[in-house]
Amino acid sequence: DIQMTQSPSTLSASVGDRVTITCRASQSLNNWLAWYQQKPGKAPKLLIYKASTLEDGVPSRFSGSGSGTEFTLTISGLQPDDFATYYCQQYNTYFLTFGGGTKVDIK
Amino acid sequence: QVHLVESGGGVVQPGKSLSLSCGASGFTFSSHAMHWVRQAPGQGLERVAGISYDGSNKYYADSVKGRFTLSRDNSKNTLYLEMDSLRPDDTAVYYCVKDKIMFGGGSSLQQWGRGTLVTVSS
Repeated sequence: DIQMTQSPSTLSASVGDRVTITCRASQSLNNWLAWYQQKPGKAPKLLIYKASTLEDGVPSRFSGSGSGTEFTLTISGLQPDDFATYYCQQYNTYFLTFGGGTKVDIK
Repeated sequence: QVHLVESGGGVVQPGKSLSLSCGASGFTFSSHAMHWVRQAPGQGLERVAGISYDGSNKYYADSVKGRFTLSRDNSKNTLYLEMDSLRPDDTAVYYCVKDKIMFGGGSSLQQWGRGTLVTVSS
């Protein structure tokens, strides 16, 4: 299976900050990468697919970039609603795997 | 509006079995791969099983292979997960999840149910 490594595992930030989360894959993903947001007690929500395509209804302050084995999720201008845990997920193979998650909390 | 409603969770003893179901509505169920993703308390996400839109292909995580069986009934818009030989480390919230693309085997996970808690404990 493809191993996914996220960093950092925790990130402290303030409202208005620009935040970047990194996801590395153990092999090339051909851009088949998604990002999710999860709030406590809730199901994850799809934010971005195919590395950089925003899901319908997701604010434009979220963006994804990268290729091959290294990808980033950027939040430009952190909002109070954005404090949550973020996960990357690869679908280069049908054996889908997730990164370990990055918790974004209030500084 | 897509709705995914899981049922069947509960408390079960180690070594026993449990069956989960997921009723789907609001989309063409037979056109999308479906998945079960679990989350142990305080932990990350694990896709435990996935099934192609027509049921012809199934994918299991190594942690559940040989113990869990995934199936679907496209005539009833329902996804099933039969869990045998349950272990304490199977304790988790189990989410039923709709795949984003049509006629595939697995991609990004577009819609999630609210989840059902499975607790394996004596």
